[in-house]
Parts: sequence; structure tokens; C-alpha cells
Amino acid sequence: DTGVSQDPRHKITKRGQNVTFRCDPISEHNRLYWYRQTLGQGPEFLTYFQNEAQLEKSRLLSDRFSAERPKGSFSTLEIQRTEQGDSAMYLCASSLNRDRATGELFFGEGSRLTVL
Amino acid sequence: AQTVTQSQPEMSVQEAETVTLSCTYDTSESNYYLFWYKQPPSRQMILVIRQEAYKQQNATENRFSVNFQKAAKSFSLKISDSQLGDTAMYFCAFFGQGGKLIFGQGTELSVKP
Repeated sequence: DTGVSQDPRHKITKRGQNVTFRCDPISEHNRLYWYRQTLGQGPEFLTYFQNEAQLEKSRLLSDRFSAERPKGSFSTLEIQRTEQGDSAMYLCASSLNRDRATGELFFGEGSRLTVL
Repeated sequence: AQTVTQSQPEMSVQEAETVTLSCTYDTSESNYYLFWYKQPPSRQMILVIRQEAYKQQNATENRFSVNFQKAAKSFSLKISDSQLGDTAMYFCAFFGQGGKLIFGQGTELSVKP
């Protein structure tokens, strides 16, 4: 088990460009979460999936953000027409939800986005 | 909506001493989980300790223990015998019926030799 992996680890882009991040969760985990973290702050929830179903999307997430989890395995987070305010660390986490979710999330190392 | 508040942005402690990090939260739910997560510099976040709200006994994990006061909605973390490797950001987090972790702002802990 290699844990949660995220790619790329760091992305530098120009304002207005589109970027996509990928997350590979721990293989047997059925829940997958995306968070955004800015320097010195706690992670902010963006969205989460149970298998392939997107169960909740934060109001913080504008229409420029979209996330998918085809076949309930890896997930992608796409940001269209990036803005400087999108610069942040994007964290992915996964968990195993059996009878009930317990909140024990396993995090990846994050994908840092810098928008110039 | 649930909120989590950590009122100590930064703390420092001498190696081998004890430090307590504070956390308060707000919720109308009765069944939930509380967590402390650790985020070392440039490394991934890892779970330190978990408390289930229906359990009155405070959770402990080796040098880490919590003081859970449900009525006061308080959840502090005590680190005993602090080690240099404990230097990190510590986040208090709430997990309830919404199915997602809600984090506090974090406390940056520095352990000094």
C-alpha cells in the first residue's frame, strides 16, 4: 500500500489557463475528499465522493472548479480559467467507509498551485 | 453549521516538557468525532488522536492525550515529553453527520532543544 498519491506535486501556471490535478486514493478506500489549504490556514473542504458519486460540493467551489471520480477509483480536480486567488495547496484524502464514516482520513502530500 | 476554533496560532515548548493545545467547537449534533491531525513542515497530514463524542473516557495515544469536555465543547490536546519531531502544525477537526472533516485554523508548535 503506497498511500494516497497526488500529481503533480507543484504546478505553476499563468492566469486564465486550465489546470488538472489527479489523486489516487488508497486502493480499498471508497471515500475521496478534496480540500484547499492556503498558507497558515486550516484545510477548507471542497468536495467529496462515495465511490463514483459526488455527495457534496462546497459553496466555496465556483463553477470554474469541477471534480470527477470515474469508476470510483482515482479522482481529478480541474480548475478552468485560473485566477491568482486559486493559488493554494490542494489536498486529497481518502477513507474507508464501512457501516458508518468515522472521519479518519488519509491525506496525500498535496498539489501546490501557483497562478502568476 | 459546525465551526472549529483554535485560538493559539503559535506555541513553543522545550524538549521533554508538556504542552497543551486548545480547541473549541460548535455543533448541535450529539454524535460526532473529534480529531487532532499533525502536519509537519512540507509533509502530509497524519492523524494523531481521535475521540468519539459518545465516549466519556478521554482518548490517549502514547505521549498524546486529550481533554474532552462535551458540555463545554472543548477538546484540548496534551503532548507529554515533547520531542523535536513533534514540531508541526496541529489541526483540530470535527466530523459529524455531514460526512466531512471541518478543520480549525491550526496551531504551529515549535519544540526547542
